[in-house]
Amino acid sequence: AQSVAQPEDQVNVAEGNPLTVKCTYSVSGNPYLFWYVQYPNRGLQFLLKYITGDNLVKGSYGFEAEFNKSQTSFHLKKPSALVSDSALYFCAVRALTGGFKTIFGAGTRLFVKA
Amino acid sequence: NAGVTQTPKFQVLKTGQSMTLQCAQDMNHEYMSWYRQDPGMGLRLIHYSVGAGITDQGEVPNGYNVSRSTTEDFPLRLLSAAPSQTSVYFCASSLQGGATDTQYFGPGTRLTVL
Repeated sequence: AQSVAQPEDQVNVAEGNPLTVKCTYSVSGNPYLFWYVQYPNRGLQFLLKYITGDNLVKGSYGFEAEFNKSQTSFHLKKPSALVSDSALYFCAVRALTGGFKTIFGAGTRLFVKA
Repeated sequence: NAGVTQTPKFQVLKTGQSMTLQCAQDMNHEYMSWYRQDPGMGLRLIHYSVGAGITDQGEVPNGYNVSRSTTEDFPLRLLSAAPSQTSVYFCASSLQGGATDTQYFGPGTRLTVL
């Protein structure tokens, strides 16, 4: 069965510092990986996705993520955090073995302090 | 485009009552789905549809019914509400439900069952 783990419930970072939100996955076959962000009282918004090709994927709002097949990870990164980046971040995976249904991680809450 | 819309935004029900959560999209997407979001559990798939007239069960379908009579609308029915159905419900759509498709989410419905 496919699964996604976000090992940190919460990440705290100071504004201007780099941030990383971790995600690991378990699937059989090739994974299709996504990051979504949820601001308070809003639905999820797409940030970026990895399908194939370059392991470093660039997305919205200056975010990027690195696909690491050997470590089965897809960590979300940003070189310089903003207070407005404070939100709930979800990693998600799809794979052929799961019928391409989307499996979401539990989410990581990011707090960026001014 | 309005994107994905959901009504109502908030609802309080008594145990045993029934209701329908509405979802509509104006992007001509074939694939639509319903998720529930519970603290620490991410999003879990309730039901999904790959096109008008076609629906299937997701991870947590018990207590919920869906139908898809048009491409635009995908209502979720709670047959006899239970406190365990207290949650935030999100509707999402994507072009064809393919592995690489981005999902677009509605703003959510916060449901409380007393």
